[in-house]
Amino acid sequence: EAGVTQFPSHSVIEKGQTVTLRCDPISGHDNLYWYRRVMGKEIKFLLHFVKESKQDESGMPNNRFLAERTGGTYSTLKVQPAELEDSGVYFCASSLFALTGAGNTEAFFGQGTRLTVV
Amino acid sequence: LAKTTQPISMDSYEGQEVNITCSHNNIATNDYITWYQQFPSQGPRFIIQGYKTKVTNEVASLFIPADRKSSTLSLPRVSLSDTAVYYCLVEGNTGFQKLVFGTGTRLLVSP
Repeated sequence: EAGVTQFPSHSVIEKGQTVTLRCDPISGHDNLYWYRRVMGKEIKFLLHFVKESKQDESGMPNNRFLAERTGGTYSTLKVQPAELEDSGVYFCASSLFALTGAGNTEAFFGQGTRLTVV
Repeated sequence: LAKTTQPISMDSYEGQEVNITCSHNNIATNDYITWYQQFPSQGPRFIIQGYKTKVTNEVASLFIPADRKSSTLSLPRVSLSDTAVYYCLVEGNTGFQKLVFGTGTRLLVSP
């Protein structure tokens, strides 16, 4: 079974440009999450999809970030325009069930996309 | 959300048992304790989860005392490939939870 796949693995763009990150979750996983780690900081939650609906987008830093999950399959995270502080590693994760306790808390992470804004 | 506190780093040698303790003094009655492992250039990976007492799987054991204010991840006979960052997370069991990662513990296993 294929795991969570993220593309690209690394992206270098100039400030002001647009970048789109893609995440393919494990097939059948309705729950999809985006996280990111900026330099020297902890991994932070960005948002959570249940199928194609945004369940929680409280972690999105500002309106330069747009996440979509059309059809409830893969997801994209677009940054437009990119700023220097957006540099970091963006992780996508998926889970079969919502991340509640009692044994339903295993989220499967992709390898991440390293974004460098110069 | 319960805040967790872990050692920043630990060093060990191959074949030794490693115990990483996490403090979560404000853990709520319904919270579960989960540990994730992250290798360089990879995303975090679920290791183990527990509520109280002891949980064991093929990778690790998790010890949780009766007051649940701390937990200890035990890795038996570590190898070089266990070098990674280990995160302790506390999650509730109702509604939609999101994983809250702290700084984690960076474990370095040497020959």
